[in-house]
Amino acid sequence: DTAVSQTPKYLVTQMGNDKSIKCEQNLGHDTMYWYKQDSKKFLKIMFSYNNKELIINETVPNRFSPKSPDKAHLNLHINSLELGDSAVYFCASSQDAGGLIGELFFGEGSRLTVL
Amino acid sequence: AQKITQTQPGMFVQEKEAVTLDCTYDTSDQSYGLFWYKQPSSGEMIFLIYQGSYDEQNATEGRYSLNFQKARKSANLVISASQLGDSAMYFCAMREGLTGGFKTIFGAGTRLFVKA
Repeated sequence: DTAVSQTPKYLVTQMGNDKSIKCEQNLGHDTMYWYKQDSKKFLKIMFSYNNKELIINETVPNRFSPKSPDKAHLNLHINSLELGDSAVYFCASSQDAGGLIGELFFGEGSRLTVL
Repeated sequence: AQKITQTQPGMFVQEKEAVTLDCTYDTSDQSYGLFWYKQPSSGEMIFLIYQGSYDEQNATEGRYSLNFQKARKSANLVISASQLGDSAMYFCAMREGLTGGFKTIFGAGTRLFVKA
C-alpha cells in the first residue's frame, strides 16, 4: 500500500494547456507539500498545507494553484502551461507534532513535459 | 543566501570503501533538523537519516552515519562499505524549527558513483 501516491506519473502536453496532478497520503500526516525538481535536480518547495490550511506559498506564478480538500489530499492545478514548467513535481507529507521535526515522505513524482 | 551547501557535484568511490559527502548549512535558529535523502536513477526520494540540532550523539542508520559538527555547521553523510546500489544523487536538507515553519530546504545534491 503506497504511503504517498501521485497521479499521473507522466504528463506530456502542449504549451497553453491546463493540467492537474493529484496526491494522496495514507500516513495520517498533517502536512503536505509540493516540490518542483528541475532538470539540474534542484528541489524547490512550492506550497505546503497543514490541516488543509495553506502555510507556505513560495514565489510561484499564479498559474499554479494548489488545493487541499482534506488533510490526506493535495492537488496541483497548472494553467496556461509554459515550457519552463517542464519538471518533476513531487508531493510529500510529514508529521510534525510535539516539537519534533518529521522527515518528508515523498511520492514517486510526476514528470511534466511541456512541448 | 544559500542555506544548504553541497560542494561536491560528483563523487567516485570504490565498492566496499567508505565515502563522505559534505554538507554545510546556515541558520540562526537554535532548533533545527538536518536530513539526508537518496535519489536513485529511478527517481524516488528516499529518507536516509536525521539529526536534530540538540542531539549530542551523531545519528547512525545501518551503513549511514551523520558526522554532525555544530560549531562548524556541517552535517556530512558517511556511507561505509559502499555498494553498487549506493550509486545515486544524495541531498542534504534542513528544516528550521522556529522560523522555518514547515519548510524543508534542500542542497543542490551530490551524485555518487560506486565503482566495481
